[in-house]
Amino acid sequence: KAGVTQTPRYLIKTRGQQVTLSCSPISGHRSVSWYQQTPGQGLQFLFEYFSETQRNKGNFPGRFSGRQFSNSRSEMNVSTLELGDSALYLCASSRDRGFGNTIYFGEGSWLTVV
Amino acid sequence: KNEVEQSPQNLTAQEGEFITINCSYSVGISALHWLQQHPGGGIVSLFMLSSGKKKHGRLIATINIQEKHSSLHITASHPRDSAVYICAVVEYNNNDMRFGAGTRLTVKP
Repeated sequence: KAGVTQTPRYLIKTRGQQVTLSCSPISGHRSVSWYQQTPGQGLQFLFEYFSETQRNKGNFPGRFSGRQFSNSRSEMNVSTLELGDSALYLCASSRDRGFGNTIYFGEGSWLTVV
Repeated sequence: KNEVEQSPQNLTAQEGEFITINCSYSVGISALHWLQQHPGGGIVSLFMLSSGKKKHGRLIATINIQEKHSSLHITASHPRDSAVYICAVVEYNNNDMRFGAGTRLTVKP
């Protein structure tokens, strides 16, 4: 079966703009989580969605938001982009909420803010 | 101090060697994940542990909840094992996921 799909793979934005990233989970998976990876901070947890509800949120400002649709697909949005938002954004899916199951990662979206 | 500490940060081995990567954490956890990241970014989940030991092929992962420590072992290492290995813990209190900084493994033929 198809893996976790993230779009777009690469994008360049200007400071102050906003960006929306999309994630399609593995069929049957109801939990989607998002992560930011930078050379300086490493991997950091952004948020988790399950059944269209945000279940958990990491320590990020309100400029970072997300949502989940009834088909479990998820989007994350970053508003008023800053240079420091340049990162690899990863999405992962799992069958159930929480992280007590195997999580499956997408290939990520590389965001560059100039 | 990071709640999740991995050692070593970098590791170079010859093909065939036995590899051990360590992960220590300071918070109460409900689960621990070992992840593998190849150049280009893709991450693969290797193990999810809440107790004991798991084995998959040449990879073995152990966890000692009382000592707050986990190890990932690779037997008969191969150049294709070259990657960054990341330990991630799930905090028991709030279900947050916290990551170690990763161990960069290079296996030379």
